[in-house]
Amino acid sequence: AQSVTQLGSHVSVSEGALVLLRCNYSSSVPPYLFWYVQYPNQGLQLLLKYTTGATLVKGINGFEAEFKKSETSFHLTKPSAHMSDAAEYFCARGAGGFKTIFGAGTRLFVKA
Amino acid sequence: EPEVTQTPSHQVTQMGQEVILRCVPISNHLYFYWYRQILGQKVEFLVSFYNNEISEKSEIFDDQFSVERPDGSNFTLKIRSTKLEDSAMYFCASRESGLQETQYFGPGTRLLVL
Repeated sequence: AQSVTQLGSHVSVSEGALVLLRCNYSSSVPPYLFWYVQYPNQGLQLLLKYTTGATLVKGINGFEAEFKKSETSFHLTKPSAHMSDAAEYFCARGAGGFKTIFGAGTRLFVKA
Repeated sequence: EPEVTQTPSHQVTQMGQEVILRCVPISNHLYFYWYRQILGQKVEFLVSFYNNEISEKSEIFDDQFSVERPDGSNFTLKIRSTKLEDSAMYFCASRESGLQETQYFGPGTRLLVL
């Protein structure tokens, strides 16, 4: 079955530290991959997406993600965390029938 | 920038009542979706809609649920007889075309069933 696994339901970093949110997908065929962010009581905002081509994808707010087919991973990174990055982050993949399958989410906490 | 809108933002209803959640997708989009997020859990696919018919639905989308595009701009989700476990945030989404195209999400409707 197509699935998305996010390692770590909670990640805590200090302001200015590296952010690394992990995502792995299951598929024999490279899927389309997305990262969404959800701020408290708000909807889902697309951070970045991978479709084809360059495996390092840059998104909004300084985030980027690298598609690694050999590791079936699509980890999200940001060199320096900001307090405003505190939110829930969802890795997702395009699936058959054009729907999107979401991971369980990782809540990012940023300490001052 | 065009965006998906949803109304109402919050709705409280009594168990057994019917609710209709409304969405206005982005105007040139062809694929429409409803997703659900129970508090503290992940976002789950409910149904996709294309060319005026359901193209796919999940096991969550049982006979109590229905979708409609009544007038070419609105896209609605109806729950006929709400249950306590229907309490969740419901997101509408739309996509222009193609699997690689971005799916744009609305801000959600928070439904509370008492």
